Amino acid sequence: GAGVSQTPSNKVTEKGKYVELRCDPISGHTALYWYRQSLGQGPEFLIYFQGTGAADDSGLPNDRFFAVRPEGSVSTLKIQRTERGDSAVYLCASRRDAANTDTQYFGPGTRLTVL
Amino acid sequence: LAKTTQPISMDSYEGQEVNITCSHNNIATNDYITWYQQFPSQGPRFIIQGYKTKVTNEVASLFIPADRKSSTLSLPRVSLSDTAVYYCLVGVDGSSNTGKLIFGQGTTLQVKP
Repeated sequence: GAGVSQTPSNKVTEKGKYVELRCDPISGHTALYWYRQSLGQGPEFLIYFQGTGAADDSGLPNDRFFAVRPEGSVSTLKIQRTERGDSAVYLCASRRDAANTDTQYFGPGTRLTVL
Repeated sequence: LAKTTQPISMDSYEGQEVNITCSHNNIATNDYITWYQQFPSQGPRFIIQGYKTKVTNEVASLFIPADRKSSTLSLPRVSLSDTAVYYCLVGVDGSSNTGKLIFGQGTTLQVKP
């Protein structure tokens, strides 16, 4: 079946611009996560959705970052006034249900480059 | 979450068995041990998960000693396509019960012909 998909695969923007990154989770998965991965590092947690609500946004670095999941399926990560330090691969993962030990399935990521 | 320590990098040759050991001295009683694999330009992929003793699936084996302070991921007869970064993760987020994953730097495995 279809896995987690993310669009765009690459995004190049200029400093100060606004960007939106989209995640389509596996159908029926209620839990959705966003992570950010810098070069040479492991992924870093940003935000977690259970259904439509953000259950944990403690990983968002500042108020320029925001994410939504209005219908409990597709999620959009929004970054305002982008900075060069925001350049990274943004990964989305989904999980079937609320069992914390259940497997998370990752998408291929969106590579964001801020010039 | 329990901190993990694993080698930054390892080299191997095709056909060899590779063992990657992860230390997690502060593992809690209810923590599971999970390994993910990540290829370049892809998201991490679940490999195996265990709680104690030995777990085996079609991809790898996971050995966990009785004190659970370490674990060893074993990849039998590696091929060039096993070249990847391997992450050892311990526990789930017990404070908020979100299941968020905490990744370290991982072990970069380079398989040579």
